Amino acid sequence: DAMVIQNPRYQVTQFGKPVTLSCSQTLNHNVMYWYQQKSSQAPKLLFHYYDKDFNNEADTPDNFQSRRPNTSFCFLDIRSPGLGDAAMYLCATLPGGLAGADTQYFGPGTRLTVL
Amino acid sequence: GESVGLHLPTLSVQEGDNSIINCAYSNSASDYFIWYKQESGKGPQFIIDIRSNMDKRQGQRVTVLLNKTVKHLSLQIAATQPGDSAVYFCAGRYNFNKFYFGSGTKLNVKP
Repeated sequence: DAMVIQNPRYQVTQFGKPVTLSCSQTLNHNVMYWYQQKSSQAPKLLFHYYDKDFNNEADTPDNFQSRRPNTSFCFLDIRSPGLGDAAMYLCATLPGGLAGADTQYFGPGTRLTVL
Repeated sequence: GESVGLHLPTLSVQEGDNSIINCAYSNSASDYFIWYKQESGKGPQFIIDIRSNMDKRQGQRVTVLLNKTVKHLSLQIAATQPGDSAVYFCAGRYNFNKFYFGSGTKLNVKP
């Protein structure tokens, strides 16, 4: 029944060691998002894909990259994690399209710890 | 950048009472708003939404009110239950596919 799946749920990495977080969806939605959520804060949009079109937020650090090899999967790569990158990373999807519904569907998140 | 912000960081209510959570937004061009509930360690869960051409929408035990004149929306929860304890976020849509979240209100329901 899971619609937006994130793996792993918990990720521990070392300072400066590249890490990749994974998101997959069974909804066949056009739009996929990555958000960063720090403790007691709101989710902050990092970037999103509309199909294959990548849309980066102006204040997203270059340290964060993303790939969407197909409709179902989207990856978040953190090239050199710093202590400040420890957070919950949320993936979300949206049907998109002119007739698409508006509601985002969120995954359960990946909790990233940087040692 | 765009902002959607909340007035109260925490709200404590007695079980059975009604709860009201408020939110202010900055971009008058935002055409769609959502309220989310987020429990500890989980992703945000959709509660209710409203389009900018409406001023009120009701769901089961929840009502969202939108006042475009003052750029304000609120979430009303009737007969609040312990299971309603969570952090509540409002979000506004901008530029077709982008969503910006408010800072969140933690709702504590006392039995």
